[in-house]
Amino acid sequence: DTGVSQDPRHKITKRGQNVTFRCDPISEHNRLYWYRQTLGQGPEFLTYFQNEAQLEKSRLLSDRFSAERPKGSFSTLEIQRTEQGDSAMYLCASSLAGPRTGGYTFGSGTRLTVV
Amino acid sequence: GESVGLHLPTLSVQEGDNSIINCAYSNSASDYFIWYKQESGKGPQFIIDIRSNMDKRQGQRVTVLLNKTVKHLSLQIAATQPGDSAVYFCAENIWVLTGGGNKLTFGTGTQLKVEL
Repeated sequence: DTGVSQDPRHKITKRGQNVTFRCDPISEHNRLYWYRQTLGQGPEFLTYFQNEAQLEKSRLLSDRFSAERPKGSFSTLEIQRTEQGDSAMYLCASSLAGPRTGGYTFGSGTRLTVV
Repeated sequence: GESVGLHLPTLSVQEGDNSIINCAYSNSASDYFIWYKQESGKGPQFIIDIRSNMDKRQGQRVTVLLNKTVKHLSLQIAATQPGDSAVYFCAENIWVLTGGGNKLTFGTGTQLKVEL
């Protein structure tokens, strides 16, 4: 296992279009997290899954955002009707259950640019 | 509201010197902290973590100090190298009430620049 993989690495889209990102976590990790990071800021929590169940969503996750993890493995994050304010780096992380497991492993992120 | 913050946005050091990056936190219930390194265009990379029942933890060239009295965390990098140039974040682990999970809250970050 080579870590957390995210696809695509970069996405440029026109305002109003829908986009979907994919995250493949470390295979034995049952928790998967999505974060958003804008330039000069730390990552902000969006949502997380325990296996296939989505257990927490941030207020940052508007109705235009939806995340799924259908089989408890990979996850997708879809943004509908993109806006320029959605431009950011979208990071996925995975971990084992519990808060003291050596941290979370992050992917390299998907950089979204809305024009 | 409660947050994790950093004292200095940019730190410049000479190659070979020691670096100290500081972080203040305000959530007194936090019991686990992590330092991450993030290079341009990459995701955060785990460096070292510490539990609240410890005040010091050492790794390879890195040491994290935790002062719970003043809610302060620091990362010390010994013999700083050009490859250490990056943005460093401290992150605070908090429990998520729903489902009993946990999540990280990050500060803004400190840019470490290593000068030759």
